[in-house]
Amino acid sequence: GAGVSQSPSNKVTEKGKDVELRCDPISGHTALYWYRQSLGQGLEFLIYFQGNSAPDKSGLPSDRFSAERTGGSVSTLTIQRTQQEDSAVYLCASSLDGYKLFFGSGTQLSVL
Amino acid sequence: AQKVTQAQTEISVVEKEDVTLDCVYETRDTTYYLFWYKQPPSGELVFLIRRNSFDEQNEISGRYSWNFQKSTSSFNFTITASQVVDSAVYFCALSDPRDDKIIFGKGTRLHILP
Repeated sequence: GAGVSQSPSNKVTEKGKDVELRCDPISGHTALYWYRQSLGQGLEFLIYFQGNSAPDKSGLPSDRFSAERTGGSVSTLTIQRTQQEDSAVYLCASSLDGYKLFFGSGTQLSVL
Repeated sequence: AQKVTQAQTEISVVEKEDVTLDCVYETRDTTYYLFWYKQPPSGELVFLIRRNSFDEQNEISGRYSWNFQKSTSSFNFTITASQVVDSAVYFCALSDPRDDKIIFGKGTRLHILP
């Protein structure tokens, strides 16, 4: 497809389980960003990649969160031992030059 | 540290009124970029504009205009003759061109009432 694709679109999980969220950026986009959107909290920066490396991981809320990107393309955000406060929409965006971000539709994560 | 503040959480105006969304930013950098994004009810964020810190000219695009004032660290967004389709959450953002990290404000939810 032409846009940023995220899967799953919805994920319901039980507290304590691990989840993996996937982002497929626009082909050729070197930069990839993960944000978290909670009600009333705006867009919280989590991590971004230039190619396969992540120059800035400062936004990851805790060591339960990790992300990787392989082949300069697909990225996965993993949350281990999920907690209820992890419930949010996780947004991925890609960019060719950091000028304009193209966002996916997000993954709505609900931790019960 | 960089920070973006959108003090208006929610605004409601009647259709055809003008409305201004405020954005105040903090950065120690002399070179930076400012952005506005729109998130309509469908959910996907859409890029509206980017402004370089060296370019303080105001910009107009149709009914949209942006007022960048370095002296007050503000980058306000005005919609003229608002329409119902303008209803959305609007985010202001700031980036450091050295590393392309982009920080967003908490957004302003705009309701345009018919």
